[in-house]
Amino acid sequence: DTEVTQTPKHLVMGMTNKKSLKCEQHMGHRAMYWYKQKAKKPPELMFVYSYEKLSINESVPSRFSPECPNSSLLNLHLHALQPEDSALYLCASSQDGRSGNTIYFGEGSWLTVV
Amino acid sequence: AQKITQTQPGMFVQEKEAVTLDCTYDTSDQSYGLFWYKQPSSGEMIFLIYQGSYDEQNATEGRYSLNFQKARKSANLVISASQLGDSAMYFCAMRERYNDMRFGAGTRLTVKP
Repeated sequence: DTEVTQTPKHLVMGMTNKKSLKCEQHMGHRAMYWYKQKAKKPPELMFVYSYEKLSINESVPSRFSPECPNSSLLNLHLHALQPEDSALYLCASSQDGRSGNTIYFGEGSWLTVV
Repeated sequence: AQKITQTQPGMFVQEKEAVTLDCTYDTSDQSYGLFWYKQPSSGEMIFLIYQGSYDEQNATEGRYSLNFQKARKSANLVISASQLGDSAMYFCAMRERYNDMRFGAGTRLTVKP
């Protein structure tokens, strides 16, 4: 079982809705990530938090807003999304940002924008 | 910029046989990590195996081994004694220095009974 927990597993939202994806890890990891994965494509990095500070934003539209309330939690706030934002959103964590540290993923949140 | 190439969109293997999934990479960094993940249809990315750029021996984890050829910049995954449950997407990934992990396009493996 994964030690990175994501909720909800499935989310359907309208284009005017505001919703949030939540992620939690209890491995004491200090780096947390959001990836977006479209069907039949590899995951694409969206955001990286390192020691609770945003360290990488891959030019993600502002309708996606990440938040790291503490070292165990990572949220992704969603507002005014488009249908093309429908995808699998994967949260992940690693001990820190060094290249030798494995990134562990959650089970993902399947998002559908209608 | 790092680049990871998986040239096999799909692979088939007979149950109990071994299979090799190819991965080549391109980086100018001396220090990097190479990873393989398995993604079943449920969506979860499952970590399989890791190889560091300074590791001289090939990594092994149970039925998984990584054939690391640094000069060729290849990091092929070998799965021995394939099982039906091995049917999934397999992604090769690389991590340079800090934070960002990038993935190849993936290979869909189908294990035939």
